[in-house]
Amino acid sequence: GENVEQHPSTLSVQEGDSAVIKCTYSDSASNYFPWYKQELGKGPQLIIDIRSNVGEKKDQRIAVTLNKTAKHFSLHITETQPEDSAVYFCAASNSGGYQKVTFGIGTKLQVIP
Amino acid sequence: DAGVTQSPTHLIKTRGQHVTLRCSPISGHKSVSWYQQVLGQGPQFIFQYYEKEERGRGNFPDRFSARQFPNYSSELNVNALLLGDSALYLCASSFTGAFNEKLFFGSGTQLSVL
Repeated sequence: GENVEQHPSTLSVQEGDSAVIKCTYSDSASNYFPWYKQELGKGPQLIIDIRSNVGEKKDQRIAVTLNKTAKHFSLHITETQPEDSAVYFCAASNSGGYQKVTFGIGTKLQVIP
Repeated sequence: DAGVTQSPTHLIKTRGQHVTLRCSPISGHKSVSWYQQVLGQGPQFIFQYYEKEERGRGNFPDRFSARQFPNYSSELNVNALLLGDSALYLCASSFTGAFNEKLFFGSGTQLSVL
């Protein structure tokens, strides 16, 4: 089955700096890669996603890149703000007949004011 | 519009007991999935249901079961609880449950097994 590895596990940045989270996946059949943000006491919330036919996608301060050859994908947050502090999960899904999302272990991002 | 709602929010059980968790999807969503999130880890897939039929099952023992009702709400049942079942149980919904559809999560039910 699919295995998604994510690093770093924790990340502290100064407000205004950029944050980068990197993930790798094992199943070459995976072709949908969502990113989730989870705040304390809440469920994961989708913040951006990318499909395998796209190498990069941007939404305001958030961008994701995908390298299918290397099976790498990453999340970039620019101009970080204290409200960006949360746990971020990368994930992968493939067209295997049903909607099964495999998550990474998570990155706890702390933005220091 | 209401998001995915789950009940109860917290639950304390003892080993060997049975538990039922409930979920109402976003209006119009026909697919419901269940995930288990152990502290410090990412959510793990348990089940997906679409139109009352089980579409997929993760690597969980038969003690875990689920069903979906005609109004698309769902229940997750866990029998013979073990200490290791203590976790946050998340329900998620999507329109048709296609692999590349956006998945919307509820806030979860925190289950503690003593």
